[in-house]
Order: sequence, then structure tokens, then C-alpha cells
Amino acid sequence: TQLLEQSPQFLSIQEGENLTVYCNSSSVFSSLQWYRQEPGEGPVLLVTVVTGGEVKKLKRLTFQFGDARKDSSLHITAAQPGDTGLYLCAGWSYSGGSNYKLTFGKGTLLTVNP
Amino acid sequence: SQTIHQWPATLVQPVGSPLSLECTVEGTSNPNLYWYRQAAGRGLQLLFYSVGIGQISSEVPQNLSASRPQDRQFILSSKKLLLSDSGFYLCAWSRRVAEAFFGQGTRLTVV
Repeated sequence: TQLLEQSPQFLSIQEGENLTVYCNSSSVFSSLQWYRQEPGEGPVLLVTVVTGGEVKKLKRLTFQFGDARKDSSLHITAAQPGDTGLYLCAGWSYSGGSNYKLTFGKGTLLTVNP
Repeated sequence: SQTIHQWPATLVQPVGSPLSLECTVEGTSNPNLYWYRQAAGRGLQLLFYSVGIGQISSEVPQNLSASRPQDRQFILSSKKLLLSDSGFYLCAWSRRVAEAFFGQGTRLTVV
């Protein structure tokens, strides 16, 4: 089983601060995704990274995929209360035949205080 | 456009009772389908996934089972619920290694 370790598990910061969330694995993933989830709802995709070393920016969010495709990071600049939520990394892996499965990390619960 | 429906939204069941959660997808054909369980504020644990009718892969040995009787229907079942089955259950669909789209989830409380 391929595991994704996320850190930190909990993060509480003040509005305007910067933060970085990490996602690490001992396995290589064909791609890594970052999702954001609000209470009582399903996760929603933020970004997919595919190429080792890839950097993607989505407004104040910067996503990076490690050169070896085993780790990823999410950096938020000038966090706002609206960024509050559970951030989940997820990796696609091949499981035989035509089967692919999406494995999630345990998530980082971010609270941005006004 | 594609949509995914999951019901019920909340469910309170006594220990030992059966369970049936249903998930249907509209607007696409032959999707990959997934059942996840989530503890409060934590990550998603993959329970079952399916790449086609009647094809079910189980990730974790447990008190639950899954079935896919139709292309766009995925059902999560149990014959006798345990207290430890409580949680937030999410159904999702995807096209192979692309974006996964999630339903609104079912909050199951076993009492």
C-alpha cells in the first residue's frame, strides 16, 4: 500500500501570514493532486501535478512536485479566512489490469484567524 | 454535465442493523467509482473501487461490501453494522487518473 504522509496535521495562523503544507511518500506516483474540503462536503480538486519538478500557481497558492515524484508541497501566500479548510494530497497509482486507485493523505486542517 | 448523487445525507442506525448506501453518476459512461470513509477532520480511507459492472476491488478487510449492478450505480452495504462503522462516507467517480468528483457524502452514526 502506498502511503502519503502530510504535515502538519493542524495549522492555525493569522490572516496575512504565509504557510506551507507538505506531502511525502516513499513511493513514486504518476501524478499527485491537491484537494480542499469544507465541513460536510466532498473534496474539490485544486491542482494536479504530473512532471517531476513541476511548479503550478493558482492565485495565492503555489504547488510543487518533487523531482523524484515522491513528494509535493502547497504554499499559501497572505492567507485569508476563506482559505480555512482541510487540505488533502492524493496520489494516483496503478494497481493491476486497468485499475488505478486514488490514495489520500490524512490531511492538514488549516484555520486562518481574522 | 456530469453529476454524482449520493444518499441519504445522514443516517442513524442501530448496531446489528443492515446498511445500504447508494451512489449514482449521470452524464458519463463507464466511470471508475470509489467509496471512501472519513473520520472527523481527517483523510479519506479508500474502501472499494470499481472499473466496471460487477468488478469490485476491496482495499481494507472489514464489515462492509460493495456492488456495482449497473454502469453508473455503486452501492455500499453491510449485513450487520458495528459501532466502528460510524463515519462520513463519500462516493466518487473519475476518468482513470484524472480529477475525482465527489458526492455530498453520507454521515452515518451507528448507535
